[in-house]
Amino acid sequence: DVKVTQSSRYLVKRTGEKVFLECVQDMDHENMFWYRQDPGLGLRLIYFSYDVKMKEKGDIPEGYSVSREKKERFSLILESASTNQTSMYLCASSLSRRSNEKLFFGSGTQLSVL
Amino acid sequence: SQQGEEDPQALSIQEGENATMNCSYKTSINNLQWYRQNSGRGLVHLILIRSNEREKHSGRLRVTLDTSKKSSSLLITASRAADTASYFCATGKYGGSQGNLIFGKGTKLSVKP
Repeated sequence: DVKVTQSSRYLVKRTGEKVFLECVQDMDHENMFWYRQDPGLGLRLIYFSYDVKMKEKGDIPEGYSVSREKKERFSLILESASTNQTSMYLCASSLSRRSNEKLFFGSGTQLSVL
Repeated sequence: SQQGEEDPQALSIQEGENATMNCSYKTSINNLQWYRQNSGRGLVHLILIRSNEREKHSGRLRVTLDTSKKSSSLLITASRAADTASYFCATGKYGGSQGNLIFGKGTKLSVKP
């Protein structure tokens, strides 16, 4: 089975801190995604990547950046965390560049910014 | 903007009953997918139906797709307490970015033993 691993299950950070959320997949998937999930708003796409060193903005990229130096790893960076970035962050991957393949999700990171 | 919208937002049934959830969307799609999320966890893919398919089955799951009405339904038959979860539809926009799915806000299903 494909495994998508997010480095932290729960994270508490202070306003202004730089935050790194790490995601690793073990099945050589080309596409990787970062979503955030908030009550009443559903899942919203922050950034995605379809190749090493490639990234594309999703619907809500403001306040975030990403890094994909290796195919298996996709990092989400909050340059200066703010309280409105308190959320559940979900990483996902899919096999290939063919459009709209099924996604494999990690278990999520619940981030609280105080 | 949200592509898929699930209905109802919440559903409570007894074990053994069937559960039906609906999803409507706005633009042309190449496929529609359903996912399940247990409380506080990641999403798990359940089933994918392509735009040229009308119905698909997987175990106790039955999905229909009506592209003329831009809608889909997910039926869970003989529900169990373990089916308690949130269910999301996700659409792959025709001609859209590679792998970019748009999710609805979900239906929260509660199955009482």
